[in-house]
Amino acid sequence: DAGVTQSPTHLIKTRGQQVTLRCSPKSGHDTVSWYQQALGQGPQFIFQYYEEEERQRGNFPDRFSGHQFPNYSSELNVNALLLGDSALYLCASSSESGPNRYTFGSGTRLTVV
Amino acid sequence: DAKTTQPPSMDCAEGRAANLPCNHSTISGNEYVYWYRQIHSQGPQYIIHGLKNNETNEMASLIITEDRKSSTLILPHATLRDTAVYYCIVRVMGSARQLTFGSGTQLTVLP
Repeated sequence: DAGVTQSPTHLIKTRGQQVTLRCSPKSGHDTVSWYQQALGQGPQFIFQYYEEEERQRGNFPDRFSGHQFPNYSSELNVNALLLGDSALYLCASSSESGPNRYTFGSGTRLTVV
Repeated sequence: DAKTTQPPSMDCAEGRAANLPCNHSTISGNEYVYWYRQIHSQGPQYIIHGLKNNETNEMASLIITEDRKSSTLILPHATLRDTAVYYCIVRVMGSARQLTFGSGTQLTVLP
């Protein structure tokens, strides 16, 4: 049973560029959340998608946007990258009707230079 | 969601029980206590959650005080692979609610 799959695992981008990160949820899960984790800190909630719509959003600027597809997979897009966007980006999936716990992927390490 | 307080770090000898405390003095009646852990370079992993009764699963036990203002996660026989950052999170049940992570406790299991 595949868990949450994220791609790519590592990425290096230049300031001002745009990036797209991808996430495939665990089989049977229909809700996807994205988190940003800076070095040495706990993950910070970016937003959550359910039924292809953004349901909840954390304190992140509009440069951060996302999408959920009919197969429940999701993308996180970040525009106009800043050095401060360098972090581990985590995707977590859950089931709206199942046990209330999240399954996390191993993340995408984004470095902005 | 209620705020939690955890010690920044703890050590535990391999094979011994690891007892990780968490204070959540402002917890509301409908808020659950969740524990996740994050092993280096991996995503957080769900461990256990509870409302007011003690809970046990194959990974750990969760002891919640009667007034629900604090809890303890117990790993009965810690191994080197239990070395991780452990996060105590208090939140209302419901998948629409995000997880609010604090700084957690870095548990180091020593050989």
